[in-house]
Amino acid sequence: EAQVTQNPRYLITVTGKKLTVTCSQNMNHEYMSWYRQDPGLGLRQIYYSMNVEVTDKGDVPEGYKVSRKEKRNFPLILESPSPNQTSLYFCASRKGLAESYNEQFFGPGTRLTVL
Amino acid sequence: EDKVVQSPLSLVVHEGDTVTLNCSYEVTNFRSLLWYKQEKKAPTFLFMLTSSGIEKKSGRLSSILDKKELFSILNITATQTGDSAVYLCAVSSGNTGKLIFGQGTTLQVKP
Repeated sequence: EAQVTQNPRYLITVTGKKLTVTCSQNMNHEYMSWYRQDPGLGLRQIYYSMNVEVTDKGDVPEGYKVSRKEKRNFPLILESPSPNQTSLYFCASRKGLAESYNEQFFGPGTRLTVL
Repeated sequence: EDKVVQSPLSLVVHEGDTVTLNCSYEVTNFRSLLWYKQEKKAPTFLFMLTSSGIEKKSGRLSSILDKKELFSILNITATQTGDSAVYLCAVSSGNTGKLIFGQGTTLQVKP
């Protein structure tokens, strides 16, 4: 089954404790991205990757890191989480940058709480 | 600054009603507009619109784009309780693949 998977699905942590949220897709998609969803603000892009070893900042990158060492995986790293990073996080992928590939496929989401 | 605005933010209707959800945008380098449905989990794709005036239709759902007036509408006819969800409008802008999302419209369909 074609899908985007994320782990963990739920996480409660404390300020300053480094964490990684994994994301993997099995559709051989070139493009992957991370979004956070907050009430009243919709989804906002954190980072994106057009292909392996190429990543760039989205609209809200502060406090986050990513890496794209292989096509299928795109982990999101919070080196020193803070309470304002409490949010619902989605990983998404799309086939490529061509206009016909604008549909993004979303993972199930990771609900993160930072105390 | 690019922005996408949806209205209303929430809506309560009864089964069988017809609803219209609105999405307006101010975005540089517009490429396409997408509608998603979100039911307490990941957004799922509904439509992608790139050309003005061409209606996209899937069952009871339809959508149309007006690139001159910079808006789109999503219509749902004969609503069912299973249509209850958050409906997200997003605009693809520029050549980075970024989607700019609106705040979403929460639709509740009562039996």
